[in-house]
Amino acid sequence: GAGVSQSPSNKVTEKGKDVELRCDPISGHTALYWYRQRLGQGLEFLIYFQGNSAPDKSGLPSDRFSAERTGESVSTLTIQRTQQEDSAVYLCASSSPGSLQPQHFGDGTRLSIL
Amino acid sequence: AQSVTQPDIHITVSEGASLELRCNYSYGATPYLFWYVQSPGQGLQLLLKYFSGDTLVQGIKGFEAEFKRSQSSFNLRKPSVHWSDAAEYFCAVGFYNQGGKLIFGQGTELSVKP
Repeated sequence: GAGVSQSPSNKVTEKGKDVELRCDPISGHTALYWYRQRLGQGLEFLIYFQGNSAPDKSGLPSDRFSAERTGESVSTLTIQRTQQEDSAVYLCASSSPGSLQPQHFGDGTRLSIL
Repeated sequence: AQSVTQPDIHITVSEGASLELRCNYSYGATPYLFWYVQSPGQGLQLLLKYFSGDTLVQGIKGFEAEFKRSQSSFNLRKPSVHWSDAAEYFCAVGFYNQGGKLIFGQGTELSVKP
């Protein structure tokens, strides 16, 4: 497909387990973003990748959260030792480089921590 | 600190009535301004954006927004609401020196009465 693809669409796991979320951006989009959306809330910025530059990790809420991206392709967001407050929809977006470019969002991964 | 405020959590309007959704931001300079819509079960879609120039911007689906520097506002308007406009609306700000990172408001849920 031509859009941003995220997997899995839903993930249920037990507290304390590690989870890995995947984002496949639109081909040619060098910028990639992760956001978190808690129930009834707006989107919280987590991390931003732009090409080969060092990522902007300023939004990661704790050291249990990490993300990787190889080149300009797939990104994975990893949450270690999950807590119940990690339950949220995790959204990925991609764009062409620059602040002026619109971000194209995936449908998100709904993460539920039991 | 940079922030975005959407004062109205939930708004209900009658079909055919006009609509205005409020958005205020806190930032020391003129940010880039966006409105996104999130329909049930769908991802976020960009409605419109403001970067510079004419302070009244037109978007998709008949929406427009006006940037008012003196009020630090970027309110979204539509002259006649359709039932299909029922959704969650998010205002967001971006910054020229922070890549494409966006700060989102908490959202306004719009319900449309027949």
